[in-house]
Amino acid sequence: AQTVTQSQPEMSVQEAETVTLSCTYDTSESDYYLFWYKQPPSRQMILVIRQEAYKQQNATENRFSVNFQKAAKSFSLKISDSQLGDAAMYFCAYTGSGYGGSQGNLIFGKGTKLSVKP
Amino acid sequence: SQTIHQWPATLVQPVGSPLSLECTVEGTSNPNLYWYRQAAGRGLQLLFYSVGIGQISSEVPQNLSASRPQDRQFILSSKKLLLSDSGFYLCAWRGDDYTYEQYFGPGTRLTVT
Repeated sequence: AQTVTQSQPEMSVQEAETVTLSCTYDTSESDYYLFWYKQPPSRQMILVIRQEAYKQQNATENRFSVNFQKAAKSFSLKISDSQLGDAAMYFCAYTGSGYGGSQGNLIFGKGTKLSVKP
Repeated sequence: SQTIHQWPATLVQPVGSPLSLECTVEGTSNPNLYWYRQAAGRGLQLLFYSVGIGQISSEVPQNLSASRPQDRQFILSSKKLLLSDSGFYLCAWRGDDYTYEQYFGPGTRLTVT
């Protein structure tokens, strides 16, 4: 079965600095997708970034970028120029692609709580 | 654009009482729909998913059930709530594209007393 592990329960960063959140996963599938979701205090889950396993290029979305290491099964999130609004829980998630009713179901890590210091 | 609604936002129910949480999606058709539960300080646990009207798959055995009476409506129910049913319930939808992105509603905080 696929698993997602976030080994950092909590992280802290100074405003305007850069922080990297770690995520590792385990799968025997060759084709899959990885995501980072943000959950602010309002608790609504917000999609931050997506990475397709077949793409070698790391995904970027403005100040958010990933370091995807397929062989190492590692998928870290880098937040540049951290802002106070970045403070939230961040969840790494995995899904296998392909066909079948359960394809597309997300498997989440336990999350990393990010604090941003002014 | 697509939007997803959940209600109620907050619910306090006694043990043994019934439950009905509703989720509706606007701006899309034939979405995949999901119910998740998040216990305090924990990750998300998938409870049910649906690929179409009347089609429900359960991921974990529990005191809850789900129904999809309409294309864009997903309901989470229980006949008798347990204390362990307390948590934050999130509904999500996914389109039929192959980005596999899921979009979440605002959630319902359920406290069983």
